[in-house]
Amino acid sequence: DTEVTQTPKHLVMGMTNKKSLKCEQHMGHRAMYWYKQKAKKPPELMFVYSYEKLSINESVPSRFSPECPNSSLLNLHLHALQPEDSALYLCASSQGPMAGGTGELFFGEGSRLTVL
Amino acid sequence: AQSVTQLGSHVSVSEGALVLLRCNYSSSVPPYLFWYVQYPNQGLQLLLKYTTGATLVKGINGFEAEFKKSETSFHLTKPSAHMSDAAEYFCAVSRGSGGYQKVTFGTGTKLQVIP
Repeated sequence: DTEVTQTPKHLVMGMTNKKSLKCEQHMGHRAMYWYKQKAKKPPELMFVYSYEKLSINESVPSRFSPECPNSSLLNLHLHALQPEDSALYLCASSQGPMAGGTGELFFGEGSRLTVL
Repeated sequence: AQSVTQLGSHVSVSEGALVLLRCNYSSSVPPYLFWYVQYPNQGLQLLLKYTTGATLVKGINGFEAEFKKSETSFHLTKPSAHMSDAAEYFCAVSRGSGGYQKVTFGTGTKLQVIP
């Protein structure tokens, strides 16, 4: 069983819809990540939150809006997406190096997004 | 800067045969190295990791990898392939940066196991 929980597992939305992806972890990790993964490709980093503050935004279009309400939760708000945004969205968490982390990422099972 | 190169995007082995998936890394500092496995429509799961100490690392499901600094390699092996090993495998290198980890993934190797 994964210790990072993502909901929903599947999402279909139109280009004018607003939806959100949710991620939760209870391992006490203070770093949380959003990755986008297209078929037959490695995960591609989108955002990193460290201690609830946005540390990295990999030039992601503004139609993707991340939010970290607390140290256990991470959301990704979606608005006016394009069909090419269809992908598997993965959430991950980790212990930071200052807290003794050794680089391991803990992934959720992902949210499969289809944009019509 | 850090990077990993996985040789072979697709590897086929017979059931019971040796599995060898290749990974070479580039890192300006001593690296943390990882192998992750991804089954269809699932997230990535850690197979094994090298941080410091013993260079032969054992992981889950009978996999192991050897860190060879002189060859900048971290190849993944399993003596006898099982049908359930069919999946995508990613090599990764990590560097700590403040409160988070900066992880670079390889392009992945799809393992096919032939009955």
